Amino acid sequence: DTAVSQTPKYLVTQMGNDKSIKCEQNLGHDTMYWYKQDSKKFLKIMFSYNNKELIINETVPNRFSPKSPDKAHLNLHINSLELGDSAVYFCASSQESGNTIYFGEGSWLTVV
Amino acid sequence: GDSVTQMEGPVTLSEEAFLTINCTYTATGYPSLFWYVQYPGEGLQLLLKATKADDKGSNKGFEATYRKETTSFHLEKGSVQVSDSAVYFCALSDRTGGFKTIFGAGTRLFVKA
Repeated sequence: DTAVSQTPKYLVTQMGNDKSIKCEQNLGHDTMYWYKQDSKKFLKIMFSYNNKELIINETVPNRFSPKSPDKAHLNLHINSLELGDSAVYFCASSQESGNTIYFGEGSWLTVV
Repeated sequence: GDSVTQMEGPVTLSEEAFLTINCTYTATGYPSLFWYVQYPGEGLQLLLKATKADDKGSNKGFEATYRKETTSFHLEKGSVQVSDSAVYFCALSDRTGGFKTIFGAGTRLFVKA
């Protein structure tokens, strides 16, 4: 069983489209995250939720909207996609903030 | 604010060579320190961690010692293998930073046969 699973793994879409990435964790963790990794492998946190409550919201365009229907799921919706949104997006979870973080395999988004 | 600085890569080594990847940090409190590894096409996974000064984390032949006096957490391995080729991330989590995990920029390691 995959601990943190995210779908889709690959996504190619045109500028201006709206897309969603789904994430689920079966570890029973109470904290979930979205990270963005650019082509130079630099990792930047976007959002963090604890028990469905938003606790970290970094400087991210409001075209990005996370949604946590329950503490096992954290989805990411992106409106009006731009070329600069092309990156790998990682979902992750941990048991409380500050502990070991478990990452999904990533969703490779390409905007053309 | 808290920060993590690690040596720039890429680092290229021959198989069985000794590896050191330097990592230094800045934190207001007493952070926990981590090394994560990312293999090609995969997400990051924990390699090792240390939660207090002088602790040594170890896993798969890799080691790192939490040095408070030098604010460092250098990653070492005595004999690298081709399968160790990956990107390595140093990270910290600090209570005074709200337990937000801060990652370094990553160091890519290539090991040649």
